[in-house]
Amino acid sequence: GAGVSQSPSNKVTEKGKDVELRCDPISGHTALYWYRQSLGQGLEFLIYFQGNSAPDKSGLPSDRFSAERTGGSVSTLTIQRTQQEDSAVYLCASSHRVIYEQYFGPGTRLTVT
Amino acid sequence: EDQVTQSPEALRLQEGESSSLNCSYTVSGLRGLFWYRQDPGKGPEFLFTLYSAGEEKEKERLKATLTKKESFLHITAPKPEDSATYLCAVQAANNDMRFGAGTRLTVKP
Repeated sequence: GAGVSQSPSNKVTEKGKDVELRCDPISGHTALYWYRQSLGQGLEFLIYFQGNSAPDKSGLPSDRFSAERTGGSVSTLTIQRTQQEDSAVYLCASSHRVIYEQYFGPGTRLTVT
Repeated sequence: EDQVTQSPEALRLQEGESSSLNCSYTVSGLRGLFWYRQDPGKGPEFLFTLYSAGEEKEKERLKATLTKKESFLHITAPKPEDSATYLCAVQAANNDMRFGAGTRLTVKP
């Protein structure tokens, strides 16, 4: 079956612009996670959604970052007024339920110039 | 604070040379410990979940074990296609996930 998909695969933007990153989870998965991976670093947790519950936003690095999940499926991560330190690979993962294994998408490589 | 430390950072093996990767952790109420494999330019690929000390799981040349403080990923007779970065992650009682920085494994033919 189809895995987790993310778009775009690459995004180059100018400092100060807003960007939207999209994640399509595996059908039927109720939990969805966003992570950031900087070059040579481990994954940094950003936010997760579980069903219709309020999202856990504890990992968002600043108020320039926000995410939403519509209809319990597709999710969008928005970064406002991008900064060069936002450059990283943004990974999305979904799981059948929280505490189950997560399945990752291929990521969106964001470059802020 | 929850913490995950993986060692070594990088490991070079000859084909057939068995070894182990370490994942040390501190977490408030472990719900699960996960191992993933990540190839360059791709998202992590799930390998194992361990839930309690003493648990072991195997898949082909890989075997994961868990104690109350650490997990090991044992690689038996590795092949070049096992070359990848191996990531360890813990899920805390509040469902937060924390990943280690990974071990970059290179297996030479």
